[in-house]
Amino acid sequence: EVQLVESGGGLAQPGGSLRLSCAASGFTFNNYGMTWVRQPPGKGLEWVSTISGGGSSAYYAVSVRGRFTISRDNSKNTLNLQMDSLRAEDTAIYYCAKPLSTITILGALDSWGQGALVTVSS
Amino acid sequence: QSALTQPASVSGSPGQSITISCTGSSSDVGYYNLVSWYQHQPGKAPQLMIYDDDKRPSGVSPRFSGSKSGNTASLTISGLQAEDEAGYYCCSYAGGSIHVLFGGGTRLTVL
Repeated sequence: EVQLVESGGGLAQPGGSLRLSCAASGFTFNNYGMTWVRQPPGKGLEWVSTISGGGSSAYYAVSVRGRFTISRDNSKNTLNLQMDSLRAEDTAIYYCAKPLSTITILGALDSWGQGALVTVSS
Repeated sequence: QSALTQPASVSGSPGQSITISCTGSSSDVGYYNLVSWYQHQPGKAPQLMIYDDDKRPSGVSPRFSGSKSGNTASLTISGLQAEDEAGYYCCSYAGGSIHVLFGGGTRLTVL
């Protein structure tokens, strides 16, 4: 059974940093690209970032480009999201998700974690 | 590039059918066969209901179906049940520097 467990959420000040992690199990982690999706309070889902299985390619939403960095440690089956220069509008529940396909890494997401809440406020 | 356009809410009675639309452009929904649909209930992880425009993952009820015409994708739920009440989001690969777009979400109420 696929399991994705996020950690590292919490309160950060505007301009501050926070690092999210996602522990994965139940599948061959390095065969799959991995994705972060967020949901601000009272709003819809927003794609944030995707990284390839080997970690050599990364993709970012315009809203986080240059501030967030996605990475992975395949030896530990862990996905990370380093969030710098945080803004109030980054406040959201952040989900890590696994794609259905090993090939179409920017395609459908068939497994999701329960999410980690990030609050940016002074 | 803006989010894909969905109606904010739809409603139906048990047993009825409803359809949720998702309108994009010729650069995303209309170009790639990579529209997916997610059901999201409060406090739960989103669940994949449809992928690649019209394919249903194993374990998803056949009451859920997807289709696409031009730049508009649709999710149809037949035989509505109380448990279908949730938020529904479409998503499409968009290529270029945008990569992935979600719709704004549609709140389904079962009357």
